[in-house]
Amino acid sequence: EDKVVQSPLSLVVHEGDTVTLNCSYEVTNFRSLLWYKQEKKAPTFLFMLTSSGIEKKSGRLSSILDKKELFSILNITATQTGDSAIYLCAVEVIGAGNNRKLIWGLGTSLAVNP
Amino acid sequence: NAGVTQTPKFRVLKTGQSMTLLCAQDMNHEYMYWYRQDPGMGLRLIHYSVGEGTTAKGEVPDGYNVSRLKKQNFLLGLESAAPSQTSVYFCASRNSNQPQHFGDGTRLSIL
Repeated sequence: EDKVVQSPLSLVVHEGDTVTLNCSYEVTNFRSLLWYKQEKKAPTFLFMLTSSGIEKKSGRLSSILDKKELFSILNITATQTGDSAIYLCAVEVIGAGNNRKLIWGLGTSLAVNP
Repeated sequence: NAGVTQTPKFRVLKTGQSMTLLCAQDMNHEYMYWYRQDPGMGLRLIHYSVGEGTTAKGEVPDGYNVSRLKKQNFLLGLESAAPSQTSVYFCASRNSNQPQHFGDGTRLSIL
């Protein structure tokens, strides 16, 4: 059975800290790994990773994928209170009928205190 | 460009009532999805569509029906609501090789 496991489940840090969120997976027919940020409403897209070892970066956020060890990390440097959210990891797999579907982790709840 | 719009945003139903949730996207996306999100369970796929006129079952389809009569709209129906269907429902859409874009969700309570 395909599964995606995120750790830690929750994290509390102070503004300015650097955090690393983990996402490991066991799936068949891997296609890509995605990170989303969810505040009060819709999950918003952060990164899509398909190749090992290539870092994707957006401001203070960065992410990298290791397809050999089957995990990804999401780094946030110099955290701000606006980074407080649930961070979701999802792995896209190719299923029956060549249809793609996302296998979702449970998320990491990050709280950044001033 | 509104993206993905879900209506209504909130609804309270009594057990046994029926209702339809509407998802509309203005990005000309082929693929559309309905999820439910519950504490400790994460996002679970209810039904999805790979194009106008097509629908398929996801992970938790029982008690729900869907229709995709127009490319921009994906409707989720509850024929006879049950308390176990109390949840936050998200619609998403995408095109090939693109990430899913989500609506703001519908919070549904069934008493």
